[in-house]
Amino acid sequence: EAQVTQNPRYLITVTGKKLTVTCSQNMNHEYMSWYRQDPGLGLRQIYYSMNVEVTDKGDVPEGYKVSRKEKRNFPLILESPSPNQTSLYFCASSRRLAGAIRNEQFFGPGTRLTVL
Amino acid sequence: AQSVTQLGSHVSVSEGALVLLRCNYSSSVPPYLFWYVQYPNQGLQLLLKYTSAATLVKGINGFEAEFKKSETSFHLTKPSAHMSDAAEYFCAVSDGAKGGSQGNLIFGKGTKLSVKP
Repeated sequence: EAQVTQNPRYLITVTGKKLTVTCSQNMNHEYMSWYRQDPGLGLRQIYYSMNVEVTDKGDVPEGYKVSRKEKRNFPLILESPSPNQTSLYFCASSRRLAGAIRNEQFFGPGTRLTVL
Repeated sequence: AQSVTQLGSHVSVSEGALVLLRCNYSSSVPPYLFWYVQYPNQGLQLLLKYTSAATLVKGINGFEAEFKKSETSFHLTKPSAHMSDAAEYFCAVSDGAKGGSQGNLIFGKGTKLSVKP
């Protein structure tokens, strides 16, 4: 089954304790992205990757890191989480055609993060 | 730069009534437009997309949307609401139409649809 998986689904942590949220897709997609969803703000892009070893900042990258060492995986790293990073996080992936994206993005089920 | 505005953060309709969720976009080039749905405690799922073919786009679950360039709109409709349609709906525009750009999605803030029995 074609899917995007995220782990963990729920996480409660404390300020300053490094954490990683994993994202994996089995569709051989070139493009992957991380979003955060907050009430009243919709989805905002954190980081994205056009292919292996190619990453770039989205709209709200501060406090986050990513890496893309393999095509299928795109982990999100919070080196020193703070309470304002409490949010619902989504990973997504998509094909990439001729330098531009025309296809839908497939979303993971989300990771609800609480930073105390 | 592209942007998306969804009018109404909450819309409530009765079961069987018309659903109309509004989306206006701003884009300097022909856009690619999407509607996604998010059911409670789930990820986003594509409802339909416009990629410069037919202006009336049919999606899943009986939804459709019409691209109107003159109005820069892409409103989502369904003739008869079901209880199962209760969810949050997001309109999005892709900057991929610029050609050679990243093709990122810019989302509206979402509209929560409630369906009353």
